[in-house]
Order: sequence, then C-alpha cells, then structure tokens
Amino acid sequence: GDSVTQMEGPVTLSEEAFLTINCTYTATGYPSLFWYVQYPGEGLQLLLKATKADDKGSNKGFEATYRKETTSFHLEKGSVQVSDSAVYFCALSDPGSARQLTFGSGTQLTVLP
Amino acid sequence: NAGVTQTPKFQVLKTGQSMTLQCAQDMNHNSMYWYRQDPGMGLRLIYYSASEGTTDKGEVPNGYNVSRLNKREFSLRLESAAPSQTSVYFCASMASASYEQYFGPGTRLTVT
Repeated sequence: GDSVTQMEGPVTLSEEAFLTINCTYTATGYPSLFWYVQYPGEGLQLLLKATKADDKGSNKGFEATYRKETTSFHLEKGSVQVSDSAVYFCALSDPGSARQLTFGSGTQLTVLP
Repeated sequence: NAGVTQTPKFQVLKTGQSMTLQCAQDMNHNSMYWYRQDPGMGLRLIYYSASEGTTDKGEVPNGYNVSRLNKREFSLRLESAAPSQTSVYFCASMASASYEQYFGPGTRLTVT
C-alpha cells in the first residue's frame, strides 16, 4: 500500500536559518504530493503541492520538488521566521485509492528568535 | 464562505456513551473525509464519502459509523465510546478539479 515517511522531529532552528524536512513516499500509481501545515490548535492548511514528476510547488517562501527517481518531496525554505513554527505533514494522493490522503507522521518545527 | 466547519470543538465522554460529530462544507465539494490525529501517527482515514449517498471505510473504521446527510454534511458517530478513541478528529472536503483537501478546525475528544 501507499506510505509516506518523513523526517522525525522535533526540529529547532534559529530565525533566518535554512530549513529542510525530508519526505519520501511509496505509491502504486502516480500520486500527487502535498505539504500541509498545522499551527497550534488549528486544522491543517495546504502549503504547497505538485502533481507530476519534476514539478516544483512553492508558497510563502517554501519549496518542494517532486522527484520520481528518488521518490522524494523534500520541503525547503531559505530563511525561516518565528511565525513558521508549526507541524508540517507530507502527504500523497493516489488516483488508485479514491484520492484519499496518506500522511506522514508530521515534523514539529520550532523557530527561535 | 466558512469553508469546513465542525462541531463541537471539545467533548469529554465516559466509556460506553455515544455521540455524533458534525461536519459541514459550503464549497460544493463532492468528496468528504473523516480523519483522526494521534501523537506521532499523522492523520489516519476513518471513513470517506466520494459523493452524496456513498460512504466507504478507510484505514481505521472500527467503532465508528458515518452518514452523508446531503452534499454539505458528513457526520461521524461513535456508538459506544472507548478510551482508545481519545483523539483529535478532523473533517475534510476535496475539490475534484485540484484534488486539494480542505480541513475543518477539529474536534478534540477525550473518553474516560
């Protein structure tokens, strides 16, 4: 079945540091890939997505590239801010599974001023 | 445009009690989902509804039932709550064109 493995946390960075959160996946079909962000006490919000190989999703300074050869979708940001502190989830949506989302376990990011 | 709404926000139940979690969306989406979130396990799919009148089991359906009341509303029922069902429950709906899912704010349920 489908699965998503993402970098264990928690991750603590200083403001303006570079961020990478690793995500790899296993899927039977050709999935779409997503990063969701969850701020404390809130639901999940879509951060970015990519629907085919070599697509780059980007939003709010975050980027991730769909790498089919390495089955990866790593999240990066060049300069994090305190307001980026949240839990980040990598997820895939497989057309063969009624477009259900399969989530990774989440990575807690804390950015210190 | 409220997006996805869920009620209640918080609930405490005793073992064996029943309750229904309500979810509604105003985006005219066909597909709706119920997930539970547990520490260190991400979100796991309980049930989903691909369209009005249809429902299907997800990864962890045991102990739950669902009703797709109409296109807007998708409820989740716990008939006899157990401590293992202590969790945060999220409802989501999906835009068919983009496959993006939109989440509600969640219901934090504690079963004692």
